[in-house]
Amino acid sequence: GNSVTQMEGPVTLSEEAFLTINCTYTATGYPSLFWYVQYPGEGLQLLLKATKADDKGSNKGFEATYRKETTSFHLEKGSVQVSDSAVYFCALRRQGAQKLVFGQGTRLTINP
Amino acid sequence: EAGVVQSPRYKIIEKKQPVAFWCNPISGHNTLYWYLQNLGQGPELLIRYENEEAVDDSQLPKDRFSAERLKGVDSTLKIQPAELGDSAVYLCASSLGQGSLYEQYFGPGTRLTVT
Repeated sequence: GNSVTQMEGPVTLSEEAFLTINCTYTATGYPSLFWYVQYPGEGLQLLLKATKADDKGSNKGFEATYRKETTSFHLEKGSVQVSDSAVYFCALRRQGAQKLVFGQGTRLTINP
Repeated sequence: EAGVVQSPRYKIIEKKQPVAFWCNPISGHNTLYWYLQNLGQGPELLIRYENEEAVDDSQLPKDRFSAERLKGVDSTLKIQPAELGDSAVYLCASSLGQGSLYEQYFGPGTRLTVT
């Protein structure tokens, strides 16, 4: 079946550090891939997405590249800020389907 | 533009009691989703509506859960009777339509605690 596996958290970094949150997936065909962010007390927000192999999604300094050969969609940011503290979810949506399949989430805390 | 509205934000009930959650999607959004998010896990789809029709309810435990979307706008999700294992966050999301072009917008969720 379709599934998403994220690196376990929590992740704690200092401000301006480099961030990587790993995400790998299992799916047939060519799913679309997403990163969602959930700030404290708020709903999930779409951070970025990629719909085909080698696409790079980017937003707010975050990037992720759709790697078909390694079935991965790792989230990166060159210099994190305290305001990036949140829970990050990797997700996929199979071609032609509406349902999002989420990973378990990774809690990120950035210390000043 | 107002986002997806959910109420209540928090609910504490005793087991075997009924509970209902309400969702108001973004205006004009035909597709509405209810997700269940257990602690430390990602959301899982319970049911999806296209207008007033439930088109995917395969993950909804129908013995105790029910949902409705009258007039294709607001929706309610009900649990009767609630069990301890139902303690979780219930998320509502909406999108303009079907297909990969349409982003899902999530509400803040209702956190349910069953004691």
